[in-house]
Amino acid sequence: GAGVSQSPSNKVTEKGKDVELRCDPISGHTALYWYRQSLGQGLEFLIYFQGNSAPDKSGLPSDRFSAERTGGSVSTLTIQRTQQEDSAVYLCASSWNQGNYEQYFGPGTRLTVT
Amino acid sequence: GENVEQHPSTLSVQEGDSAVIKCTYSDSASNYFPWYKQELGKRPQLIIDIRSNVGEKKDQRIAVTLNKTAKHFSLHITETQPEDSAVYFCAASTGGFKTIFGAGTRLFVKA
Repeated sequence: GAGVSQSPSNKVTEKGKDVELRCDPISGHTALYWYRQSLGQGLEFLIYFQGNSAPDKSGLPSDRFSAERTGGSVSTLTIQRTQQEDSAVYLCASSWNQGNYEQYFGPGTRLTVT
Repeated sequence: GENVEQHPSTLSVQEGDSAVIKCTYSDSASNYFPWYKQELGKRPQLIIDIRSNVGEKKDQRIAVTLNKTAKHFSLHITETQPEDSAVYFCAASTGGFKTIFGAGTRLFVKA
């Protein structure tokens, strides 16, 4: 079946603009995660959804970052007033449920802020 | 806050040798420890995981050990092959609410 998909695959934006990143999880997966991966670095946890609710937003780096998930499926990560330090690959993952299940990652969105 | 430290950051081995990657975690409530492999330009994929009620788990050439007292877990790859070359990430999770990843180990297997 289809895996996790993300769009766009690449996004170049000017500093100060807002961007929206989209994630389509695997059908039936109730848990959804967003991570940020800077060049050559590890995976930085941003936010986690169980269904439509986000019990843990502690990883969001600033109030310029927000995320929502509607209908328990598609999620969007919004970055307002982008800064150059926001440049990174943003990875989405989904899992069958919360509680220690394998996370299936999407291909990521490479964001470049000029 | 929660933290996962991973060592070494880079590891180079000869084909056929073993490779060991070590991680420590800070949150004693962590109960699930997955390992992901990320090949260049690709997405991370789970290769093995271990839960806190188990001390060791093996899958062919890959094994993971867990020491809950020391809050330490390790990945062991035996008989390494060039296709094992990748970045490996350890992670620790508490009930799945949040997964904290280590910084990654870049493994080079020389033919």
